[in-house]
Amino acid sequence: ILNVEQSPQSLHVQEGDSTNFTCSFPSSNFYALHWYRWETAKSPEALFVMTLNGDEKKKGRISATLNTKEGYSYLYIKGSQPEDSATYLCASPDSNSGYALNFGKGTSLLVTP
Amino acid sequence: EAEVAQSPRYKITEKSQAVAFWCDPISGHATLYWYRQILGQGPELLVQFQDESVVDDSQLPKDRFSAERLKGVDSTLKIQPAELGDSAMYLCASSLAKDNEQFFGPGTRLTVL
Repeated sequence: ILNVEQSPQSLHVQEGDSTNFTCSFPSSNFYALHWYRWETAKSPEALFVMTLNGDEKKKGRISATLNTKEGYSYLYIKGSQPEDSATYLCASPDSNSGYALNFGKGTSLLVTP
Repeated sequence: EAEVAQSPRYKITEKSQAVAFWCDPISGHATLYWYRQILGQGPELLVQFQDESVVDDSQLPKDRFSAERLKGVDSTLKIQPAELGDSAMYLCASSLAKDNEQFFGPGTRLTVL
């Protein structure tokens, strides 16, 4: 079981603010890092799958970076909107155990108008 | 767009009763996962199937939980008897292969009274 940690636990920002969250994971035997967005009453939605050190990915106003050597990833949201309110989960598959995902506890984001 | 289906979406039961959850993965996905998310925690793997075979059930409380995927397609997770501590969100996910991206269903929210 991999120890994946996320911070902060929760965040409350105003519409238009930019924000970022952190995910830390074991750097040894790294395989991949997944980011999911989970809105209430919906399925967790995959945002990014990142595998290469230094990788940067972008989807609209959301972007993510990856540092596999030091074991962290950042998720950035530029110009937050109320529809960005959700729980953001990061997870790393354990290649020694069937590639099941080991999740952090998530960051709960609330964006108010 | 293909989706992972789960039912029921919500289940309220009394302790010592039996409950069952159903998952229909995306067609063609060989790998199926059941995760449990207790409030305030990240999702944790309960059981992983590759086709009809169990790959990992090391975190499944086998005295009360059982899971099957008889024809390698849909899957059922059962709890008997339910305990108060089983109150959680039960998520099903599927992937083409074990090291591929996982797609999640909307989950079943279980409340044990």
